Amino acid sequence: SQTIHQWPATLVQPVGSPLSLECTVEGTSNPNLYWYRQAAGRGLQLLFYSVGIGQISSEVPQNLSASRPQDRQFILSSKKLLLSDSGFYLCAWIRQGAPEAFFGQGTRLTVV
Amino acid sequence: AQSVTQLDSQVPVFEEAPVELRCNYSSSVSVYLFWYVQYPNQGLQLLLKYLSGSTLVKGINGFEAEFNKSQTSFHLRKPSVHISDTAEYFCAVSGSNSGYALNFGKGTSLLVTP
Repeated sequence: SQTIHQWPATLVQPVGSPLSLECTVEGTSNPNLYWYRQAAGRGLQLLFYSVGIGQISSEVPQNLSASRPQDRQFILSSKKLLLSDSGFYLCAWIRQGAPEAFFGQGTRLTVV
Repeated sequence: AQSVTQLDSQVPVFEEAPVELRCNYSSSVSVYLFWYVQYPNQGLQLLLKYLSGSTLVKGINGFEAEFNKSQTSFHLRKPSVHISDTAEYFCAVSGSNSGYALNFGKGTSLLVTP
């Protein structure tokens, strides 16, 4: 069976510090991978998606970047965090040819 | 591009009463439709999905939804809710653009009280 791991679960970082959130998928190959952000009281905003190694598409301009160094690994990064980067970050994957998405447990990021 | 509107931000309901959470979508192409549930500080869990075929789809926990193409709706229903159904519910749509990424509505908070 397939599983998705996302860590850390919670993170408190000062303004201006770097960020690295990691997501890995097990039990499948060549998945589509996604990063979403959920701000307090709002829906989910798509930040990045990837259809293959090294292929990253950004949906909104922002202070964040994403990378996919391996087939089942998706990393969300920032060089310098802003207060507005606070939120709940969710990683998701879709099997090629099947549109149903599976989500990780999320990372609660608080920038102070 | 596809988009979703969830018409109610909060829905209070008494235990064992029926509930309907409304969702309308817009798209110029064929779409896939989903309902997800989110419990506090957790990820999203798929309740049900419409990909093709029968317009009435049944999901987990006794939920069902009906795809209505003419009204561009995909409302979620449950005939009798439980306290444990209290959660945030998200309607989502996807298509072939953006790598089949889901576009979500802003969510409906379902609060079930005794």
